[in-house]
Amino acid sequence: EADIYQTPRYLVIGTGKKITLECSQTMGHDKMYWYQQDPGMELHLIHYSYGVNSTEKGDLSSESTVSRIRTEHFPLTLESARPSHTSQYLCASSERVGGPTDTQYFGPGTRLTVL
Amino acid sequence: GQQVMQIPQYQHVQEGEDFTTYCNSSTTLSNIQWYKQRPGGHPVFLIQLVKSGEVKKQKRLTFQFGEAKKNSSLHITATQTTDVGTYFCAGPFNDYKLSFGAGTTVTVRA
Repeated sequence: EADIYQTPRYLVIGTGKKITLECSQTMGHDKMYWYQQDPGMELHLIHYSYGVNSTEKGDLSSESTVSRIRTEHFPLTLESARPSHTSQYLCASSERVGGPTDTQYFGPGTRLTVL
Repeated sequence: GQQVMQIPQYQHVQEGEDFTTYCNSSTTLSNIQWYKQRPGGHPVFLIQLVKSGEVKKQKRLTFQFGEAKKNSSLHITATQTTDVGTYFCAGPFNDYKLSFGAGTTVTVRA
């Protein structure tokens, strides 16, 4: 099992609150990703990073932001949560930069509910 | 937009039966990966196929990569309740990102 962690696992919060979802990996992976997934549905890439100080927007437009100050840490922030942000957020990492796409290791996810 | 298509979206299987799920790409892929997500869980890597026509087996699961490297299949024999979940295929598209299919959600009737 991969060493990638997400906190909190579950979060229920009111509209307008600022939240940060944490993701950490201890594998030294360069690439990290954030996906949004509604129950039973496909994965949507919302942010990714090639390494420290690198962040890119994914395929799905998102009002969230990310940062990558340390290799092992890739937090996602929502400045003002809305009910439309209710979803599961999955963090993933993979090993190599500059080569063919590598296996992605997923964290357990954060289930966010915005009331 | 989605560049990897999976069919069927749902697969209801009688325990003990076989089934196949298919993955198709709009372009040639350098490799294809398969992941499994159990209900309430997160995707877990199953296998990667790289070579044209490659076939790999994991117990009752058989994975195949098409000759043109634009399609793939997952065949499960003698389905068990432990096979329940959503199976995703994924292929690399640009900038070393993976494009995931919509998944095939499998339910098993005992």
